[in-house]
Amino acid sequence: QQPVQSPQAVILREGEDAVINCSSSKALYSVHWYRQKHGEAPVFLMILLKGGEQKGHDKISASFNEKKQQSSLYLTASQLSYSGTYFCGTEHSGNTPLVFGKGTRLSVIA
Amino acid sequence: EADIYQTPRYLVIGTGKKITLECSQTMGHDKMYWYQQDPGMELHLIHYSYGVNSTEKGDLSSESTVSRIRTEHFPLTLESARPSHTSQYLCASSEYHQSGYTFGSGTRLTVV
Repeated sequence: QQPVQSPQAVILREGEDAVINCSSSKALYSVHWYRQKHGEAPVFLMILLKGGEQKGHDKISASFNEKKQQSSLYLTASQLSYSGTYFCGTEHSGNTPLVFGKGTRLSVIA
Repeated sequence: EADIYQTPRYLVIGTGKKITLECSQTMGHDKMYWYQQDPGMELHLIHYSYGVNSTEKGDLSSESTVSRIRTEHFPLTLESARPSHTSQYLCASSEYHQSGYTFGSGTRLTVV
């Protein structure tokens, strides 16, 4: 079951904040977040396991609400290097490959 | 440095040809995956493997096969290439179920 990401695209000025959402109609076991720059492979950012945890990664953090079956990625004080397409990948059990959302294209401009 | 390698990086072939896309990783990961991705679009699972001699089909597996004879090597074969196979093919590996995926640089395939 493919997760739904929103928004599809967002444009930010340097220093602004953004939130990217990932939701599923089915119970989630874990949520992964990846960033892919144009012409490059996706790069792993973080994983959140069921239990409602929140993780941080410099100025990029994420939360996972197991009851709502959704995760949110928070980018604060955005930098030009944050530009790219962000994908969430979800697992519905502990032994299945990731299913990826359609991605959110983030553009940070000076 | 541990990494995951895909060859070739770019490939243009004619319709009907049989091709094998190579993927190797030096990290000793048991879990490996093949995804197909059109430019700017989502990733679709083709095949995956959780260990030697173990392979499973994903959503787009019907026109391709994989093998896993060695832990480090997970090649993908298209038996008869068609223009609809034109896409980017990404190989990935992970150490265990709760670890992130490491992706290779991909093979950009064009079938003419």
